[in-house]
Formats: sequence, C-alpha cells, structure tokens
Amino acid sequence: DTGVSQDPRHKITKRGQNVTFRCDPISEHNRLYWYRQTLGQGPEFLTYFQNEAQLEKSRLLSDRFSAERPKGSFSTLEIQRTEQGDSAMYLCASSLFNTGELFFGEGSRLTVL
Amino acid sequence: GQQLNQSPQSMFIQEGEDVSMNCTSSSIFNTWLWYKQDPGEGPVLLIALYKAGELTSNGRLTAQFGITRKDSFLNISASIPSDVGIYFCAGQAGISNFGNEKLTFGTGTRLTIIP
Repeated sequence: DTGVSQDPRHKITKRGQNVTFRCDPISEHNRLYWYRQTLGQGPEFLTYFQNEAQLEKSRLLSDRFSAERPKGSFSTLEIQRTEQGDSAMYLCASSLFNTGELFFGEGSRLTVL
Repeated sequence: GQQLNQSPQSMFIQEGEDVSMNCTSSSIFNTWLWYKQDPGEGPVLLIALYKAGELTSNGRLTAQFGITRKDSFLNISASIPSDVGIYFCAGQAGISNFGNEKLTFGTGTRLTIIP
C-alpha cells in the first residue's frame, strides 16, 4: 500500500500524559499536513510542512503541540500534558507541491480520559 | 477555525435517487475539492475543481466550481448503498500551479440510504 499511513490508529491515554503520532506520506509528496477532526465537524487545519520546513501553524496548535518533519519524509505530532479537549481524530495528508489535491491517511484517534 | 457552510446537513434517500448538495463560502477560493469520509476513516478525494464555472465528472459524481468562486455543488446520480457516508467540500485559497495552501473544510453532509 503506497498511501499515507498513520500510527497508531487508536490511542487512549490519561490526562497529563504525552502522546506522539507518526505519519508516513506518499513517498514522492513534498508537502505534509496535519488536521484535527472532532465528532460531527470537518477537519480543521493544524500545520503543514514543505519538505522539512514548517510553513504555517494554526492558532489551534497550542504550545503543548509540536510537529516535526526532520528529514522531509515522515512527520511526528506530539501533544504534551494532554487534556480531555484534545480527544479527536488527528489526520495527516500529503500532496505534491503543484497540486491542490491532498491525500489523507486513515487517522489516529486519540481519547484522553 | 473557519468552516465552510454545507447544505443540507443530512439527507435520507432511497437507493436509485439522485442527490444534490452544495457548499458556500464568504471568501473566494481558487480550488474546490470534494471528499467522502466513512466512519473511522480518513477523507477520500472524489473530485478536484480548478477553474470557475468548471463542471467535472467522476463516474456518477458531478461537481461544479461556482462562477463567483464562493460556492461549489456536488451531484450524485442513481445512488447506491456504498454512497452512504459524509461528504465534505474543501476550498483552497492558494492559486493552483503556484503551490498548495491549507484546505478549509465544510461542515459535512451526511448521506443515508433508506432501505
């Protein structure tokens, strides 16, 4: 399967713990996006990278959130000191530079107890 | 964050019926896309539109890029059970061929097929 892959698919954690999600984009795609989706809503933009450079961050991305893409391939999204409000589906997408078509992974569902 | 307005929020139809849904924005977009999402899965791209007034088909799906660039429409003809799911529109303000910008998503239209 050469699509976008995310790991883990599901994560249950206690409030205050740190969690990390990984995204492997489609190999030839140089742009990588993170979105968050809560129940009944459309995906909301968090941040995106072109190669290893983080080009934009949403105001939704508080200082407890950090994303990296160190070698311009896979990316990680870390949430520190999780809160119950962080419970959501975290979606990763990738695209080529010159197209508006984002391809999404299956998502990582986070539940904070 | 900002979300585009989609209408209707939900639809209950019988198999074989045609479906129409739309998406509106207060700002102009240069690219419109339509995605379908099944429960517990990520959105899957259905159609991409790059030019105002453009009408594009993908099988039984037809989408249009509104002439004002502030809206888009999706039609599904002769619905079948696998069409069940949530349909999202998404707009991109960046100019195509100059690189991507983030997508802003709609609130979704949930399609249910009544037996």
